Amino acid sequence: DADVTQTPRNRITKTGKRIMLECSQTKGHDRMYWYRQDPGLGLRLIYYSFDVKDINKGEISDGYSVSRQAQAKFSLSLESAIPNQTALYFCATGGSEDTQYFGPGTRLTVL
Amino acid sequence: AQSVTQLGSHVSVSEGALVLLRCNYSSSVPPYLFWYVQYPNQGLQLLLKYTSAATLVKGINGFEAEFKKSETSFHLTKPSAHMSDAAEYFCAVTEGWNFVFGPGTRLSVLP
Repeated sequence: DADVTQTPRNRITKTGKRIMLECSQTKGHDRMYWYRQDPGLGLRLIYYSFDVKDINKGEISDGYSVSRQAQAKFSLSLESAIPNQTALYFCATGGSEDTQYFGPGTRLTVL
Repeated sequence: AQSVTQLGSHVSVSEGALVLLRCNYSSSVPPYLFWYVQYPNQGLQLLLKYTSAATLVKGINGFEAEFKKSETSFHLTKPSAHMSDAAEYFCAVTEGWNFVFGPGTRLSVLP
């Protein structure tokens, strides 16, 4: 089984809808991250969490919110989706070493 | 704040030819540096990382990278390209416990 899982893998939604992307990990890591990937821009950090009680905004947090329900779960919400939030979204974890481990991604399309 | 540049958004090489993907970072303080690879429709997979133990770092699939502090560079090389190397490659640098990613370089391998 994969160490970092994301659901759904693909989602098409309409402008104005609320949507939640979920991430679960079995690596036992404290640190979890949400990124979005856009062509030519690499990965940009949306939110990160160093433990259940520690959540921080990243470079591009506007229009997004997160919830760290447990050490293993970190959800990303779009309260009112807009077309320019169409992107590939990745969850990642980080442990005691510096490496980050990525989930398979969620492809979100906002019409 | 750190920034990462990757020269060339798209690089094409012939099968068997040398692969050279360039990465430069902005900080004067040597950070930890990483190369990740993303195959089509997949998440990011760690290729190799530099953590100050040795300036020449060997990774998976025959890739290696050399850290050059004087040039603030961490270029990725492979002596002989294989068709299976076609993917997008991301350079990343640590900033505290977070990562800053470059925009990525798409590698095409021509038969």
